[in-house]
Amino acid sequence: SQTIHQWPATLVQPVGSPLSLECTVEGTSNPNLYWYRQAAGRGLQLLFYSVGIGQISSEVPQNLSASRPQDRQFILSSKKLLLSDSGFYLCAWTRGGTTNEKLFFGSGTQLSVL
Amino acid sequence: RKEVEQDPGPFNVPEGATVAFNCTYSNSASQSFFWYRQDCRKEPKLLMSVYSSGNEDGRFTAQLNRASQYISLLIRDSKLSDSATYLCVVTVNDYKLSFGAGTTVTVRA
Repeated sequence: SQTIHQWPATLVQPVGSPLSLECTVEGTSNPNLYWYRQAAGRGLQLLFYSVGIGQISSEVPQNLSASRPQDRQFILSSKKLLLSDSGFYLCAWTRGGTTNEKLFFGSGTQLSVL
Repeated sequence: RKEVEQDPGPFNVPEGATVAFNCTYSNSASQSFFWYRQDCRKEPKLLMSVYSSGNEDGRFTAQLNRASQYISLLIRDSKLSDSATYLCVVTVNDYKLSFGAGTTVTVRA
């Protein structure tokens, strides 16, 4: 069966510090991978998605970046965090090679930038 | 106009009651529709897909109205454990899914 791992679960970082969140998927090949952010009391905002190694689509301009160095690994980074980067970050995957598929989420990272 | 809009609620209902709510979407070309459930500070989890003919999963019934561009979720015989935020999800294109901000349901004893 497929599983998705995301870490860390919580993170407190000072403004201006770097960020690296990692997500890995097991039990499937060539998944579509996603990073979402959910601000307190708000809906999910799509940040990045990837349909293959090295392929990254960015949905919103921001000081975040994403990379996919391996088929089942997706990394969210920032060189300098802003207060507005606080939120609940969720990694997700869908079956690769198909479209309009349901999403499966990791357990999320609660990021607080102080 | 937002891609997906939901009544945020909250819907406060007693145990055993029926509660229903809708979600509207703006892209008439959307192909797939889902309802997700999200508990506080947890990841969203798939509740059910929504099919053109409508579908039922136990106490949950989902309907799709393409002409009016909305989907609905009905919960019968509400349980305390049904208290959660329900997210409407609609495909925007082949790879992107757009989420509503959620409808909060609180079931009281």
